[in-house]
Amino acid sequence: DGGITQSPKYLFRKEGQNVTLSCEQNLNHDAMYWYRQDPGQGLRLIYYSQIVNDFQKGDIAEGYSVSREKKESFPLTVTSAQKNPTAFYLCASTRIGVNEKLFFGSGTQLSVL
Amino acid sequence: AQSVTQPDIHITVSEGASLELRCNYSYGATPYLFWYVQSPGQGLQLLLKYFSGDTLVQGIKGFEAEFKRSQSSFNLRKPSVHWSDAAEYFCAVGLQQGFQKLVFGTGTRLLVSP
Repeated sequence: DGGITQSPKYLFRKEGQNVTLSCEQNLNHDAMYWYRQDPGQGLRLIYYSQIVNDFQKGDIAEGYSVSREKKESFPLTVTSAQKNPTAFYLCASTRIGVNEKLFFGSGTQLSVL
Repeated sequence: AQSVTQPDIHITVSEGASLELRCNYSYGATPYLFWYVQSPGQGLQLLLKYFSGDTLVQGIKGFEAEFKRSQSSFNLRKPSVHWSDAAEYFCAVGLQQGFQKLVFGTGTRLLVSP
């Protein structure tokens, strides 16, 4: 079955440590997105990519980095510069075109030790 | 800038009763409108979307939503709620091109009582 796979499901970060969240899709989608979800808030866009080897900052990109070396993969690194990283992170993807919809992964919960 | 308001943080409905979740948006043009549902610890699933045409949109799981331009609203409804509908519901507003400008509301948590 096609879909989006996020791993790990739970991740713990020590102070000063960089951690990487994985997002893989086998839907042959062009565009991929990373969102951050905090309790009581809506989803906020961190980064997005519409084509391989290109990506754009979203609304809250500070303290995060991404890469898009392959169409199916869009890993997110939470760097030590992100001072409040505890959140639920969601990856999404879509084809580029009219009337498309976002498909979401099942998320990664990141917590600080 | 576009914005989305979901005024109800929590709603409790008895099983079998009808449901209406409110969503108001602020946007200068006709937006793309979406409703998503999220179960605890899971990703979001699209319930329905409105791009143009008929203002009453049918979605999955028996949900529907009505776009009312005069009220800037896109309320989600279901005639008879099932216990499995308990989840968090998000309204989202987007531009006509691309999802990078998709703005989500803060969500409404639906509780279903027996």
